[in-house]
Amino acid sequence: EDQVTQSPEALRLQEGESSSLNCSYTVSGLRGLFWYRQDPGKGPEFLFTLYSAGEEKEKERLKATLTKKESFLHITAPKPEDSATYLCAVQGAGNMLTFGGGTRLMVKP
Amino acid sequence: DVKVTQSSRYLVKRTGEKVFLECVQDMDHENMFWYRQDPGLGLRLIYFSYDVKMKEKGDIPEGYSVSREKKERFSLILESASTNQTSMYLCASSPRLAATDTQYFGPGTRLTVL
Repeated sequence: EDQVTQSPEALRLQEGESSSLNCSYTVSGLRGLFWYRQDPGKGPEFLFTLYSAGEEKEKERLKATLTKKESFLHITAPKPEDSATYLCAVQGAGNMLTFGGGTRLMVKP
Repeated sequence: DVKVTQSSRYLVKRTGEKVFLECVQDMDHENMFWYRQDPGLGLRLIYFSYDVKMKEKGDIPEGYSVSREKKERFSLILESASTNQTSMYLCASSPRLAATDTQYFGPGTRLTVL
């Protein structure tokens, strides 16, 4: 059974204070690892797909990296508008997505 | 841009009512999904469909049914709503199943069953 664990559950940062969110996974035959951003009361918004260990992708202040056991979402110099819940999901051989519980990020000005 | 829309943002129903949640996507995607999201439990797959009139059970199908009569539309039906079905319901679509395809989500429907 595929499993995804995200840590920490919640993270408070000051504006400009860089940090990383972790997504640890076990999956049979990783086909892709996905990062989403979710604002309160809204649906998840797609950020990145990573396919293989060593791959990195960037978008504005966000950078996602992937190893064989985990993925990191690095946030550089965050702003208050980066406050959201960040979800990680894996797609294994079974094709369906398995989601982690999310990390709730709060960035204070 | 991919667009997935859901018929209602907020819905309040009474126990025993039949509830329809509608989802429409405009990108000609093959696959559509219904999830529910609850605090502490994350997103859980209820049903998915990989083609018109085709459906497959997800992890928690009990108490739900689905309908896909047209490619762009996927409906979730609660035959007799119960209070434990109070939740955020999310619809998603993706181009193909047998590939690494991103799922794109709608805005969600917050359902409260009284």
